[in-house]
Amino acid sequence: ETGVTQTPRHLVMGMTNKKSLKCEQHLGHNAMYWYKQSAKKPLELMFVYSLEERVENNSVPSRFSPECPNSSHLFLHLHTLQPEDSALYLCASSSLPGSSGNTIYFGEGSWLTVV
Amino acid sequence: AQSVSQHNHHVILSEAASLELGCNYSYGGTVNLFWYVQYPGQHLQLLLKYFSGDPLVKGIKGFEAEFIKSKFSFNLRKPSVQWSDTAEYFCAVNAPGSARQLTFGSGTQLTVLP
Repeated sequence: ETGVTQTPRHLVMGMTNKKSLKCEQHLGHNAMYWYKQSAKKPLELMFVYSLEERVENNSVPSRFSPECPNSSHLFLHLHTLQPEDSALYLCASSSLPGSSGNTIYFGEGSWLTVV
Repeated sequence: AQSVSQHNHHVILSEAASLELGCNYSYGGTVNLFWYVQYPGQHLQLLLKYFSGDPLVKGIKGFEAEFIKSKFSFNLRKPSVQWSDTAEYFCAVNAPGSARQLTFGSGTQLTVLP
């Protein structure tokens, strides 16, 4: 139990499908993140939300669309993905970025396979 | 921009052997340093962290890491590994001024043979 819950844990989708990944944190944090974890590569930061406002977008293609309706929930909407987008997508949360002692807590991840 | 290097991609040890995993970072200012561990099929968990103070940091499960500022290093150590330590280990760094950006190394897969 991490305090950060992701659903679904596994998702297989076609390139023309539209699906969403969901993340919920129960830690009282104000910042949430999406990371992508591919084999043999460092974790890649995709998006950062701080107080429900997107504060960082690391040149992520528009086929990935994040949404943060409140400080506890974060979505990643997926549309017309490519097979190379298959990866483990990790949600994380922390207290406000910039605060000292900021530690990021991760969810278990959503395994995405694009066929 | 900050970056993190983990030079050992895969380390194989026998139980009771000593472990040291290398981590070097590049950033000119003050940094926060982390080691995360990912056991097979599980989420990333914080192993230990350094923000300030004593450069020798002790974490969970007998792990420790030493911050050597002059070498830009934060190596992870354990005197005697167990089979249950088999996992992937990630070093990460962020700068307090831009703490939203946690930069990870590419990870080191540790396999401990029984």
